[in-house]
Amino acid sequence: SAVISQKPSRDICQRGTSLTIQCQVDSQVTMMFWYRQQPGQSLTLIATANQGSEATYESGFVIDKFPISRPNLTFSTLTVSNMSPEDSSIYLCSVGDRVDSPLHFGNGTRLTVT
Amino acid sequence: AQSVTQLGSHVSVSEGALVLLRCNYSSSVPPYLFWYVQYPNQGLQLLLKYTSAATLVKGINGFEAEFKKSETSFHLTKPSAHMSDAAEYFCAVSDLGIQGAQKLVFGQGTRLTINP
Repeated sequence: SAVISQKPSRDICQRGTSLTIQCQVDSQVTMMFWYRQQPGQSLTLIATANQGSEATYESGFVIDKFPISRPNLTFSTLTVSNMSPEDSSIYLCSVGDRVDSPLHFGNGTRLTVT
Repeated sequence: AQSVTQLGSHVSVSEGALVLLRCNYSSSVPPYLFWYVQYPNQGLQLLLKYTSAATLVKGINGFEAEFKKSETSFHLTKPSAHMSDAAEYFCAVSDLGIQGAQKLVFGQGTRLTINP
């Protein structure tokens, strides 16, 4: 299975600033996914990132708030822009190509906004 | 759209006792189902998956789950709980997302506590 590395593992940020989270995979993958896990809650898909095209966002998430880059088949970034305390969450990168294959997850980025 | 419901946000069992975590799904097509475990301060780790082969699926760490179409259930079990099983467990169903890629829909999670 793919090995996924996320950076940073955690951060504390001030309101109004932005943070870019990096996701590196040890093999080429077609689809990369970004999930959010709010405190004490389940995971919600933010967007799907396909190399060479614009990311596709789920309902409730917009590109201005969560811009995503996917420059190649092994790397992606998620930026959390103009942060507020409500953005305090764990952000997880995952990869998976087929509907019957499981997603593999990175260890997540624990973000606290003060 | 597919969905999953996990019954019980918290489950507490004694060490050595049976673990049973409940998951029911809603799907208009034969589902692909997964159980993940999340240990404190870590990401998600796949425990097992159901992809329309055997209905009884064996996973890692002694866990198994049985797919029951008539009950639309995919409950997770382990015969004898160990202290190291204390974690958050998520049931998920695969849904078709953009360009046919899979999109996982997660249940709310069940926090498993093991009592010594």
